[in-house]
Amino acid sequence: DADVTQTPRNRITKTGKRIMLECSQTKGHDRMYWYRQDPGLGLRLIYYSFDVKDINKGEISDGYSVSRQAQAKFSLSLESAIPNQTALYFCATSDWGLGGKYFGPGTRLTVT
Amino acid sequence: AQKVTQAQTEISVVEKEDVTLDCVYETRDTTYYLFWYKQPPSGELVFLIRRNSFDEQNEISGRYSWNFQKSTSSFNFTITASQVVDSAVYFCALSGAETQGGSEKLVFGKGTKLTVNP
Repeated sequence: DADVTQTPRNRITKTGKRIMLECSQTKGHDRMYWYRQDPGLGLRLIYYSFDVKDINKGEISDGYSVSRQAQAKFSLSLESAIPNQTALYFCATSDWGLGGKYFGPGTRLTVT
Repeated sequence: AQKVTQAQTEISVVEKEDVTLDCVYETRDTTYYLFWYKQPPSGELVFLIRRNSFDEQNEISGRYSWNFQKSTSSFNFTITASQVVDSAVYFCALSGAETQGGSEKLVFGKGTKLTVNP
């Protein structure tokens, strides 16, 4: 089984709709992250969480919110989706001291 | 500010050729980590290597090798005898030391798209 899972894997939604992307991990890591990937721009950090009570904004948090329901679960919400939020979204985890990231398979989101 | 530059946007080679992907980074941290990730056409991100700033030994893993040079702030990746399955986008990334205050946000380069033709 995958260490980091994301649901849904693909989603098409309409402008103005609220949508939630979910991430679960079995690695036991405290730290979880949401990244967004756009063609030609690489990956950019949206939000990150060091534990259940610690949520931090990344470089592009506007228009997004997150919820850390448990150590293993970290959800990303788009309150009112807009077309320029069409992108590939990755969840990632890391453990203390390594600085590395284990990525989920990605969620391809299209906002029409 | 931390920055990663992958100057090669796209590279195309013929199978069995050697290919080097360049990565140049900027950071003021004294302790940092460098990474390479592979993103095949299927879209997932595959971790390839992590290197910390105190370990300048080159590393070889099968057909893959990495050359880390602090003097030039470079962490280049070479694929020897490339294969079609190596076709992917490759990302170099940088993470600062966690003890230096929140620098563990992974900073990615924009990626190099490698196409290996049969």
